Formats: sequence, C-alpha cells, structure tokens
Amino acid sequence: DTEVTQTPKHLVMGMTNKKSLKCEQHMGHRAMYWYKQKAKKPPELMFVYSYEKLSINESVPSRFSPECPNSSLLNLHLHALQPEDSALYLCASSQIVGRRQSNYGYTFGSGTRLTVV
Amino acid sequence: GQSLEQPSEVTAVEGAIVQINCTYQTSGFYGLSWYQQHDGGAPTFLSYNALDGLEETGRFSSFLSRSDSYGYLLLQELQMKDSASYFCAVTSFSGGYQKVTFGTGTKLQVIP
Repeated sequence: DTEVTQTPKHLVMGMTNKKSLKCEQHMGHRAMYWYKQKAKKPPELMFVYSYEKLSINESVPSRFSPECPNSSLLNLHLHALQPEDSALYLCASSQIVGRRQSNYGYTFGSGTRLTVV
Repeated sequence: GQSLEQPSEVTAVEGAIVQINCTYQTSGFYGLSWYQQHDGGAPTFLSYNALDGLEETGRFSSFLSRSDSYGYLLLQELQMKDSASYFCAVTSFSGGYQKVTFGTGTKLQVIP
C-alpha cells in the first residue's frame, strides 16, 4: 500500500460547526503532516508529527487542532472556522531516519476540499 | 525566514525541452525537492537533491548549486500530460526537526 487516504474528499461546514478531517497511511511512515493550499498558491505547512508527537506547529490558529492517535492515523479537528479558512487541506507522510525526517519525498493524499459558509 | 522564487508561468511545445528555475533563501538548508501538481490533484514527488549536481529520473532531471542557492528542473521530450504546476521545495531544519517549504510554483503549459 503506497497511498495516503484522506476523508472526506469534500466538506462544507458552517462557522459554528465542529468537524474532523481524517488521514490514514499504511506505508510505515513515522512522520505525518498537514498542509493548507489555497487556489493557485503553494501548499503551506501547518503541522508536523514525528513518532506520533507534534514537532512543528507553524503558528496555526487554535481553531485547528491536530491529533495523531497512532502511527497510521492523523486527524485535524476543526471548530469555529472562518470563510477564509476555505482551502484544500492536504495530508502527507514520509519516512524518518534517526531523529530526522527522511530525505525522500513526501507522499500526499488527494486532499479534503473544505468550504466554510 | 525562507523564500523560494520560481517563474509563474512557462509555455513550451510538445517534444521540446523546458527548464524551470528556482532560487531560494533559507537557513538550515538540507536539500531541494520538486513536486508536480495537476489541477485538482495532489502534489506528486519528482526528485530530490541534497548535493550539488544533476540527478536524472527518466525524462526529468534536477540540478542543485548550493553555493548559488539555485536549482532547476529539466523536462525533456515534453508531453501534453506534463501540463501542470511544478513546485520547488526546500527541506530545512527548524527546532531540531526537518520541514519542507514550497516555492511559489510554476504553471507549465505544453502546446501542440
């Protein structure tokens, strides 16, 4: 299995809703990532998990709450989002060598297209 | 901070060769990667350079000059399916952890 699976593929939520994005990989990767991508822009790093521990938070607002229940799963909990948070949310994973993420490329999921109304 | 610059758009003819340049400024530089992304799709890893020189993978080659903070992606024998956005991405260390930051992206249009 060489895929990263994200669900749902599309999500429309109101500003008062609580929802969760899910990401799963079975490649044995021990580093997992959340990226946000707006239209015609590059992916922007949000969070990095290494060995199921949060290692990087790129000053993301608290209305985004990541969770890594085990080495295969990564969640992103959403609460009280704003319309400007509408974007494609990408999950990725990679190998880790020692205490460093691998030099090999990231494997990305197909993303969740989120619309906040 | 970090910055990566790429041309915003490139147009090339099917069967030709195209080069997409990337210049970067970063601390803790570890390597330069390239990703392809079709409209509506996810980024796909193409190549990675940690050392100076050229890496070849089929029709795609990637070059890095660490002293010049510069790299490029070379696409040969262009095909229509190569029309996509191409991102360079810097791997760097932050707080003891490695992270990847993407460049602004280059939209490649291949024309018949």
